[in-house]
Amino acid sequence: GAGVSQTPSNKVTEKGKYVELRCDPISGHTALYWYRQSLGQGPEFLIYFQGTGAADDSGLPNDRFFAVRPEGSVSTLKIQRTERGDSAVYLCASSSPGSHNEQFFGPGTRLTVL
Amino acid sequence: DQQVKQNSPSLSVQEGRISILNCDYTNSMFDYFLWYKKYPAEGPTFLISISSIKDKNEDGRFTVFLNKSAKHLSLHIVPSQPGDSAVYFCAAITQGGSEKLVFGKGTKLTVNP
Repeated sequence: GAGVSQTPSNKVTEKGKYVELRCDPISGHTALYWYRQSLGQGPEFLIYFQGTGAADDSGLPNDRFFAVRPEGSVSTLKIQRTERGDSAVYLCASSSPGSHNEQFFGPGTRLTVL
Repeated sequence: DQQVKQNSPSLSVQEGRISILNCDYTNSMFDYFLWYKKYPAEGPTFLISISSIKDKNEDGRFTVFLNKSAKHLSLHIVPSQPGDSAVYFCAAITQGGSEKLVFGKGTKLTVNP
């Protein structure tokens, strides 16, 4: 079956612009996670959805970052007024009910803010 | 404050030998630990895990050891193969919470033919 997919694979934008990153989880996976990986670092947690609701958004760095999952499947991470420090690989992961320990990751979206 | 630490940024071993990757953690609330493997331009792939109630878990060539008193775990790969060359991330989780993974910075393993 299909794994987690993310679009676009690469996104180059200018400082101050708005971007949207999309994640399609594995079918049937109720939990969805966003992580951010900066150069030389491990992935860092941003937000966790259980179904349609954000169960934990404690990792979002500030109010320029927002994520939605309106129908409990596809999720969109939205970044307003992008800054150069937002440049990173944004990873999405999903997991099946009762198996939140094993998260399946997508290939990521590489965001570059010029 | 890094709660999960991988102090070796890189490791190089010969094909057929054992690779040992180390990981330390500081948060005693972590009760489940995972190793992920990552190739360039791909997302991390789950490799092996261990619950805090165990001290060893084995899956083929991969074995993870957990020393709770030392807050230390290690991943052993034997025999190492060139295809094992990748970045390995140690991750920890507190079950029953938000289930978010806390990752180390990773160790780049190179297996030389």
